[in-house]
Amino acid sequence: DAGVTQSPTHLIKTRGQHVTLRCSPISGHKSVSWYQQVLGQGPQFIFQYYEKEERGRGNFPDRFSARQFPNYSSELNVNALLLGDSALYLCASSLDRVYTGELFFGEGSRLTVL
Amino acid sequence: RKEVEQDPGPFNVPEGATVAFNCTYSNSASQSFFWYRQDCRKEPKLLMSVYSSGNEDGRFTAQLNRASQYISLLIRDSKLSDSATYLCVVHNQAGTALIFGKGTTLSVSS
Repeated sequence: DAGVTQSPTHLIKTRGQHVTLRCSPISGHKSVSWYQQVLGQGPQFIFQYYEKEERGRGNFPDRFSARQFPNYSSELNVNALLLGDSALYLCASSLDRVYTGELFFGEGSRLTVL
Repeated sequence: RKEVEQDPGPFNVPEGATVAFNCTYSNSASQSFFWYRQDCRKEPKLLMSVYSSGNEDGRFTAQLNRASQYISLLIRDSKLSDSATYLCVVHNQAGTALIFGKGTTLSVSS
């Protein structure tokens, strides 16, 4: 079975641009979460979507937005990119909104902002 | 105070060594605790959940002390393949997000 898939795997943008990252969860999983991992740090929670609604938001500015589609895939959008947005963006899926077990991560989208 | 704090690394140990990682968390209402492993430039993967009674999985033992808000991971008989970053992870109070520590890097050498 396919795991969590993310695209693109790598991308380079310049300051001020916007970016869209995509994620497909494991089949049957209804919850998708997004995490940002800056080099040398642990992942930091950005959003959780469950049944197409935002269910949780971390401490990120409004430049960050996301949505979940009827097929449970998800997009993360970041506007007005800053150098500090350079990071690995991880998508994770789980069966339910509340995690009682493992959270499954994709391999991530590595964003470089120049 | 950070929500999840881990021992600073890196830990450099020879094969066969026993190594222990420690972690503290700030939210006494946290209910679920985990250790994740992350290989270089890869995604985090669940290593093991941590239960109040302590739990063991082969060479790995996890302990939780709720009173001290302290979590530990013990690795016995280290292997080269154990080289990775170990992330201490705690649920947020609602159980809808994971809060990660900064991670501790382990390097096992022959």
